[in-house]
Amino acid sequence: EIAMTQSPGTLSVSPGERATLSCRASQTIGSNLAWYQQKPGQAPSLLIYAASSRATGVPARFSGSGSGTEFTLTISSLQSEDFAVYYCQQYINWPPLTFGGGTKVEIK
Amino acid sequence: QVQLVESGGGVVQPGRSLRLSCTPSGFTFSDFGMHWVRQAPGKGLEWVATISYAGNDKYYTDSVKGRFTISRDNSKNMLYLQMNSLRADDTAEYFCAKQVCAGYSGCDKLPHFDSWGQGTVVAVSA
Repeated sequence: EIAMTQSPGTLSVSPGERATLSCRASQTIGSNLAWYQQKPGQAPSLLIYAASSRATGVPARFSGSGSGTEFTLTISSLQSEDFAVYYCQQYINWPPLTFGGGTKVEIK
Repeated sequence: QVQLVESGGGVVQPGRSLRLSCTPSGFTFSDFGMHWVRQAPGKGLEWVATISYAGNDKYYTDSVKGRFTISRDNSKNMLYLQMNSLRADDTAEYFCAKQVCAGYSGCDKLPHFDSWGQGTVVAVSA
């Protein structure tokens, strides 16, 4: 089973600032990584797939990078609607499909 | 647009059963593998089960093997999760999710999710 580890657990950021979220896989997964955003009381929504491809309708301020075992989600200039929890997920070596524990981005 | 609506959640005693349903719309259901993902209160996301687009292949997380059964009826456009022998640690919000790639495409074995339902809550308590 591939374990996904996200850091930090909580990120305090001011609106307009950049946020950098990390995700590490316990084994190499190539670029087979997705990022999801979950706002309180809502279902997750797909932001990034294949490590760096934005899903339909996702603003350009969201970008993903990395391959192998180290991945990054960057939000270039945080907007009020971006304060949420973000999860990474690997989808190459399964079952099981595995998610990271999440990073909460909160207002500083 | 794609919509997924879960139903069937509720409060149930340990050891009892519950069947969740997911009603899809806005896409050709029979073309896509489908999944159940759960989220315990205040916790992260946990994949539960997957069924292939034709229903031939099914996969489960270890903690539910032998207790949960995922199924689909492509003629009725319905996805199900039969949950038996429920335990307190099954308490969670359960989401059905559609995978990005169609079953006949090259990437259908790389499941990630472009549409999620709003969730249905299952609480297992005496």
